[in-house]
Amino acid sequence: EDQVTQSPEALRLQEGESSSLNCSYTVSGLRGLFWYRQDPGKGPEFLFTLYSAGEEKEKERLKATLTKKESFLHITAPKPEDSATYLCAVQYSGTYKYIFGTGTRLKVLA
Amino acid sequence: GAGVSQSPSNKVTEKGKDVELRCDPISGHTALYWYRQSLGQGLEFLIYFQGNSAPDKSGLPSDRFSAERTGGSVSTLTIQRTQQEDSAVYLCASSPTRGQPQHFGDGTRLSIL
Repeated sequence: EDQVTQSPEALRLQEGESSSLNCSYTVSGLRGLFWYRQDPGKGPEFLFTLYSAGEEKEKERLKATLTKKESFLHITAPKPEDSATYLCAVQYSGTYKYIFGTGTRLKVLA
Repeated sequence: GAGVSQSPSNKVTEKGKDVELRCDPISGHTALYWYRQSLGQGLEFLIYFQGNSAPDKSGLPSDRFSAERTGGSVSTLTIQRTQQEDSAVYLCASSPTRGQPQHFGDGTRLSIL
């Protein structure tokens, strides 16, 4: 069965303490992997799309990478405003539906 | 520019009533998705529209759920004979075409008493 698993479920960091979030997937043929940020009471906000293993994307303190089985969202020197839930979604060959993970709740303490 | 707009933002109704949730996608976006997000859960796919093609309804949880998209723009998600387990946030997303990143509305929080 096609699945997307995110870890950890929750993460608390001190301001400036770098870390990584993981998204692992088991799908038959990846069309694309998407990262979103969701703030409480809001819809998800698009961050990155990755299409092939080895690809990397960066935006401010965030960097997303992709292998054949997983993706990482690296957060460098996070700030309190980076606190949010980070969602990973996979779109696989043969369909244009997305499978979402349950997210990682990130809290960055000042 | 205007983003995806959903209405109402909150809806409280009694068990057994019908509800309609509305989504106004970004102008020109041909793909439109509906999701359900329960507390602490990921997004559950419900239905997907692409242009004038037949929608992919494979995520609708029961025949009480239906959706339509008129004129390739506004979409309405209807839940008939609501049950308490239907309580969730219903999110709508649109994209320029299928396969491109989605833009989400802020959702409708549905509470069934």
